[in-house]
Amino acid sequence: GAGVSQSPRYKVAKRGQDVALRCDPISGHVSLFWYQQALGQGPEFLTYFQNEAQLDKSGLPSDRFFAERPEGSVSTLKIQRTQQEDSAVYLCASSYLSGVEELFFGEGSRLTVL
Amino acid sequence: SQELEQSPQSLIVQEGKNLTINCTSSKTLYGLYWYKQKYGEGLIFLMMLQKGGEEKSHEKITAKLDEKKQQSSLHITASQPSHAGIYLCGADITGNQFYFGTGTSLTVIP
Repeated sequence: GAGVSQSPRYKVAKRGQDVALRCDPISGHVSLFWYQQALGQGPEFLTYFQNEAQLDKSGLPSDRFFAERPEGSVSTLKIQRTQQEDSAVYLCASSYLSGVEELFFGEGSRLTVL
Repeated sequence: SQELEQSPQSLIVQEGKNLTINCTSSKTLYGLYWYKQKYGEGLIFLMMLQKGGEEKSHEKITAKLDEKKQQSSLHITASQPSHAGIYLCGADITGNQFYFGTGTSLTVIP
């Protein structure tokens, strides 16, 4: 497709399970961002990639969160030993250039931890 | 994010009324973006402002960035139910990070 694609759209996990969320950015986009959006809140920055390099991971809330983009295109956000407070929508965005230009967002992956 | 404050937090207006949403930063913004989000959906890009004093319009939505590039307003004229949603401002503050405001939930009553 032409847009940013995220999968799964919905994920229900039991507390303690590991989850992996995938983001397919627009082809050729250099920058890729992950955000966490809790219910009723604005998106919170998690991490930023420029091609395969993770330039900023200051927003990752704990060492249970890990993101990678090994070939500079598809990215995976992994959450280990999920907790209830991890329940949120995880948004992925990409942009054509380095840094911030117009960001194109996926529709998000909604994670519910029971 | 505390980097960007939006006001009001929520807004309920009668169809046809005008409204304004504000976005304020304590730091100079490299670029200010407005997005709209409907529940359960991704963010839809509305407008981007980069220059101090810049103003852009799209259909009935106008956004302005002040001269100091620290505050932006989004104005909707003659609101319609289709305008309902969450409006988010976002900005590049550091040069390679993008922060969102706290969001404004807009309800338009027919």
